[in-house]
Amino acid sequence: NAGVMQNPRHLVRRRGQEARLRCSPMKGHSHVYWYRQLPEEGLKFMVYLQKENIIDESGMPKERFSAEFPKEGPSILRIQQVVRGDSAAYFCASSPRRQESNYGYTFGSGTRLTVV
Amino acid sequence: DQQVKQNSPSLSVQEGRISILNCDYTNSMFDYFLWYKKYPAEGPTFLISISSIKDKNEDGRFTVFLNKSAKHLSLHIVPSQPGDSAVYFCAAKFSGNNRLAFGKGNQVVVIP
Repeated sequence: NAGVMQNPRHLVRRRGQEARLRCSPMKGHSHVYWYRQLPEEGLKFMVYLQKENIIDESGMPKERFSAEFPKEGPSILRIQQVVRGDSAAYFCASSPRRQESNYGYTFGSGTRLTVV
Repeated sequence: DQQVKQNSPSLSVQEGRISILNCDYTNSMFDYFLWYKKYPAEGPTFLISISSIKDKNEDGRFTVFLNKSAKHLSLHIVPSQPGDSAVYFCAAKFSGNNRLAFGKGNQVVVIP
């Protein structure tokens, strides 16, 4: 029973390129969350998605960032025209349903994006 | 706007002794508080949580205490073990909302 799978684990992009980060939730989980951890910082919420729906994108930067969770396949976090400030660890988490209780959801191992 | 704050970023403790991690929050509307543990190059792992209607929750060696009037919670690990060496994040959420607000984390080093 695989956990939350993120790939790639490490991604290097030059300024101006596009970065695509993928997240496959745990089996049976239909809710996906993306968080970003900048150096020396805690995790910051970016977006919450269900299949084919964006539920809460209040943490997403207004430009260059987008996320999707299609009916088939993994969730994708896409960063266009990357800049050095986008260098961070991006974590995906999943849950089987809207988390009403006080149980934490399951995180993947993250994608470490480095912009050079 | 840091709604969850963890000061004293690092802590060293002898194996077998107690580790105490502190967390303060600013938003009195938070309903649940969670602690996550993170090893290098891995994602955070859920450790223990507490509802705002309680003041203590215990799970094995881990106990979380909540003082709502002070907007303060703490995580006690006793006895500390070398495998507990990790970064610990405090997080908070509102009921009915799936967003977690995280603190910056505390590095714990347990010395054998």
